Amino acid sequence: ETGVTQSPTHLIKTRGQQVTLRCSSQSGHNTVSWYQQALGQGPQFIFQYYREEENGRGNFPPRFSGLQFPNYSSELNVNALELDDSALYLCASSAGGRGGYEQYFGPGTRLTVT
Amino acid sequence: QKEVEQNSGPLSVPEGAIASLNCTYSDRGSQSFFWYRQYSGKSPELIMSIYSNGDKEDGRFTAQLNKASQYVSLLIRDSQPSDSATYLCAADSGGSNYKLTFGKGTLLTVNP
Repeated sequence: ETGVTQSPTHLIKTRGQQVTLRCSSQSGHNTVSWYQQALGQGPQFIFQYYREEENGRGNFPPRFSGLQFPNYSSELNVNALELDDSALYLCASSAGGRGGYEQYFGPGTRLTVT
Repeated sequence: QKEVEQNSGPLSVPEGAIASLNCTYSDRGSQSFFWYRQYSGKSPELIMSIYSNGDKEDGRFTAQLNKASQYVSLLIRDSQPSDSATYLCAADSGGSNYKLTFGKGTLLTVNP
């Protein structure tokens, strides 16, 4: 157990809808990164939040957005859902905003878009 | 496009054998490298990190890094059926956000 929690565990949405996924970071960690993992692929970096500010973004469209709160928990919001958004969404927490710090994953949220 | 490449496998070894997993990366700016284990239907679990050239040992696991060759490997000694999983190699971006770039993973099966 990493101490990183995510909710919900599973979610089914319809194309065009919006979804919010939540993550609580491990105690003592101030950085949260979000990844999307499609079936049979490695996780793909979406963005990272450090002390409530976005600290980098991967190749995802603007309809993927996020927030980090003062307690370092985080949300991932996806608007106008598409079928290809179906994936495992992973949140990872780490101890610092700069590199070299190990990232620990939560259990993930399985999103299915129909 | 900065990439991390792994053999997709599957890699099959008998119980008690050494499993060798390999990974190459394209970004010469990468400084930190990680191996994650992912069981089917579960999230990735960090098992090793390595930052300097050479070997790093932790129990039955040894990670090896060669920055000149842009090569990272993971050796699992005395493989157990419980080691059967997908192993993901990841490298950081070397930039200010330190995102991780993952390979597609290698499926390892340890046969009793």
